[in-house]
Formats: sequence, C-alpha cells, structure tokens
Amino acid sequence: DTGVSQDPRHKITKRGQNVTFRCDPISEHNRLYWYRQTLGQGPEFLTYFQNEAQLEKSRLLSDRFSAERPKGSFSTLEIQRTEQGDSAMYLCASSLDLGGNTEAFFGQGTRLTVV
Amino acid sequence: GENVEQHPSTLSVQEGDSAVIKCTYSDSASNYFPWYKQELGKGPQLIIDIRSNVGEKKDQRIAVTLNKTAKHFSLHITETQPEDSAVYFCAASQSWGKLQFGAGTQVVVTP
Repeated sequence: DTGVSQDPRHKITKRGQNVTFRCDPISEHNRLYWYRQTLGQGPEFLTYFQNEAQLEKSRLLSDRFSAERPKGSFSTLEIQRTEQGDSAMYLCASSLDLGGNTEAFFGQGTRLTVV
Repeated sequence: GENVEQHPSTLSVQEGDSAVIKCTYSDSASNYFPWYKQELGKGPQLIIDIRSNVGEKKDQRIAVTLNKTAKHFSLHITETQPEDSAVYFCAASQSWGKLQFGAGTQVVVTP
C-alpha cells in the first residue's frame, strides 16, 4: 500500500448529473477526511469518519452531498444534481488515531469540472 | 472556529537562499500544526509538523517554529533548490484532526 488512492482522477459532467468519487485510505488508518479545494485556495474541510461513523460535517456540505464509509475502509462521496459551483478538486486524506493528533496523508484528488 | 492566515501569498527566491513563510491562527485550543507542499495537479504532501508542546523542529533543510503566546508559526527552508518550487500550505488542528488551512504560498526558486 503506497498511500491514499482516489478514483477517478478527473471527472467532467454536465450540470444536473450525479457523480460519485471513491477514496481508498492507507490500510489500518481509521480516520478518513474529505476536503474540497478550489483554484488558488487551501483545502476546505467537508466531513470526516472515524471507522464507519461519520462524526462531523461542514456547513459546506449541502444536502446534495453525501458521504459513506460502509465498512470502515474505502469511502465514497456523491454529489447529486451537480452545479457549476461544485467544480473543484476533491481531496481525501486518512490518518491513524493514536489518541491525539496524527499525520494526515492526502490522495492525489479528483478534479471535477461541471459544464 | 479556527482561522489561519498565511503570508506571503507569493515568494520568489534565488537558488541557495532561504525562504520563510509565516502563519497565524486564532483558536488557542489548536495544538497541531502541519505544513504541506503541493505541486501542480497533485495532492498536498506532508513535509513537517509541530505540536504545541514543542517550540521548534528541524528536518534537514526544513524547520518549523511555533510561538503559542503570539499564536504564530513559521516554515523555514534553507539552501533552496529548484525542486522546492511549489505551493506551501500551513494548517492548524485540534485533537481530532480536522485541518484548517491557510490560503497558501507560491514559492518560486530561480536558478
């Protein structure tokens, strides 16, 4: 296992369509995070999982967004009825909870373009 | 919530010179401060981090300092090389790991 893996790397979709992204974290990492990054900005937190439990969601995560981590391993992020404002890089990160802050490692991201 | 400000937004240095990037944070409960390097089209790569019980940490040409009283922390890169050219992000976090990022610094190292 060489790191966090995200699929697809790029996605172009028409406005109004649904899209789903997948993230495979580093094996044995129990925390998984989703971030969104727009051009020229730092990543913004969307949501995070501790094992299969989704413990926090940002206000950025509208009701069109849903994330799952059904078995505490890989995660999916779905965007329904995409809008042009959803165009961004979607980043996944994982870390191992050792009872305090630990290093979070990011994947290469999925670049979404809504046309 | 936490707010992280990062300066400068762009930094141009001659190869071999040092680069310094500064960040401030607002929430005194933040206790973990990582730095990430991001190259074009790639995800952020963790390069160094510091925790609130430490004032300084060094790893080869990279060092980070933390001033908890003033709520600011800095990244120092010495003997810069062209491969150091990238966007650098600071971040702050509390115990469960959600990262609040700065806006980034575009570093350009010219030969």
